[in-house]
Amino acid sequence: GNSVTQMEGPVTLSEEAFLTINCTYTATGYPSLFWYVQYPGEGLQLLLKATKADDKGSNKGFEATYRKETTSFHLEKGSVQVSDSAVYFCALSDPLSGGSYIPTFGRGTSLIVHP
Amino acid sequence: DGGITQSPKYLFRKEGQNVTLSCEQNLNHDAMYWYRQDPGQGLRLIYYSQIVNDFQKGDIAEGYSVSREKKESFPLTVTSAQKNPTAFYLCASSTAGTYNTGELFFGEGSRLTVL
Repeated sequence: GNSVTQMEGPVTLSEEAFLTINCTYTATGYPSLFWYVQYPGEGLQLLLKATKADDKGSNKGFEATYRKETTSFHLEKGSVQVSDSAVYFCALSDPLSGGSYIPTFGRGTSLIVHP
Repeated sequence: DGGITQSPKYLFRKEGQNVTLSCEQNLNHDAMYWYRQDPGQGLRLIYYSQIVNDFQKGDIAEGYSVSREKKESFPLTVTSAQKNPTAFYLCASSTAGTYNTGELFFGEGSRLTVL
């Protein structure tokens, strides 16, 4: 079956530090890959996505590249801010018949950014 | 504004009581999902529905029930058979069809506490 593994947190950084959150996946098909962000007490929001190999998703200074050869989709940001403190989820969606997808999520990685 | 509305945001229940969590979407999405979130465990799929009047069990359906009588609505009932119902519940929706990439749109969540 499909699975997503992401690094355990919490990840604690100082403001303006470089961020990497690792994510690897296993899938039987050819999935789309996602990063979602969850701020305290809220639901998840899509941060970025990539639908095919070598695609780079980017948003709000965050980037991730779909690497089929290493089955990875690592999240990076060059300079984090206190407002980036949240839980980040890596996810994949594998197509079922009829085009409806059932997403698989990683366990989430908490990021804490100090001033 | 289009989106997903979950209610109530906070709910307290005595042991042995059933409770129903509401989820309404005005995004015209065909597919809807219920997830349970516990600290350190990521998101676990309870039920999903790809079309009106049809739904399937997810990974942890025991002790829960759903209905999908309207496209816009997917209520979740937490029954007294659910042994450990205290959790954060998230409803989500997505498009369905050939070009669906699997992106989910989430509500703000409902926090259920059993007293």
